[in-house]
Amino acid sequence: AQSVSQHNHHVILSEAASLELGCNYSYGGTVNLFWYVQYPGQHLQLLLKYFSGDPLVKGIKGFEAEFIKSKFSFNLRKPSVQWSDTAEYFCAVNPDNAGNMLTFGGGTRLMVKP
Amino acid sequence: DGGITQSPKYLFRKEGQNVTLSCEQNLNHDAMYWYRQDPGQGLRLIYYSQIVNDFQKGDIAEGYSVSREKKESFPLTVTSAQKNPTAFYLCASSIAGQGAEQYFGPGTRLTVT
Repeated sequence: AQSVSQHNHHVILSEAASLELGCNYSYGGTVNLFWYVQYPGQHLQLLLKYFSGDPLVKGIKGFEAEFIKSKFSFNLRKPSVQWSDTAEYFCAVNPDNAGNMLTFGGGTRLMVKP
Repeated sequence: DGGITQSPKYLFRKEGQNVTLSCEQNLNHDAMYWYRQDPGQGLRLIYYSQIVNDFQKGDIAEGYSVSREKKESFPLTVTSAQKNPTAFYLCASSIAGQGAEQYFGPGTRLTVT
């Protein structure tokens, strides 16, 4: 079975600090990759996704992620975080043998101090 | 407004009782999903349905049941056989097809005592 690992469970940053959240997956074939975000009190929503092409993907609110196939990784980055980025972030993988099923990582809870 | 509604937001039940969580979508999506979210474990798939009158077990289906009689609705029943039912339950929907974006509801927090 596929698995998705998010190594950082809790991250605390000050405003304007740079952010990188790790995501690694175990499937060896072709994958579609997603980052979802859950702001306090809000629905889980899509931040960005990678299907093919340029491995550097840009999403909403200044986030980006880089797919490195050789490392089975899809790390999320933001050069300068804001207090409003405080949320829980989930990486998800859709292997090409899984239809539209997603496997989620355990999530990273980010707190940004003003 | 298009979206997914889940009700109620909070639900309390006594151990040994079955309870049904509601999920409705007006996005005209064919596929619907139920996830369970526990701290540190992310989202785990309970059941999914690709089309009306058809559904499949996910990774943690034991102690749960679903029905899909209408395209818009995908209720989840947490039965008394579920050993650890207290959790946050999320419903989602998507169009059919590889890698389709899933849209999520606001969730139902179930507490069983």
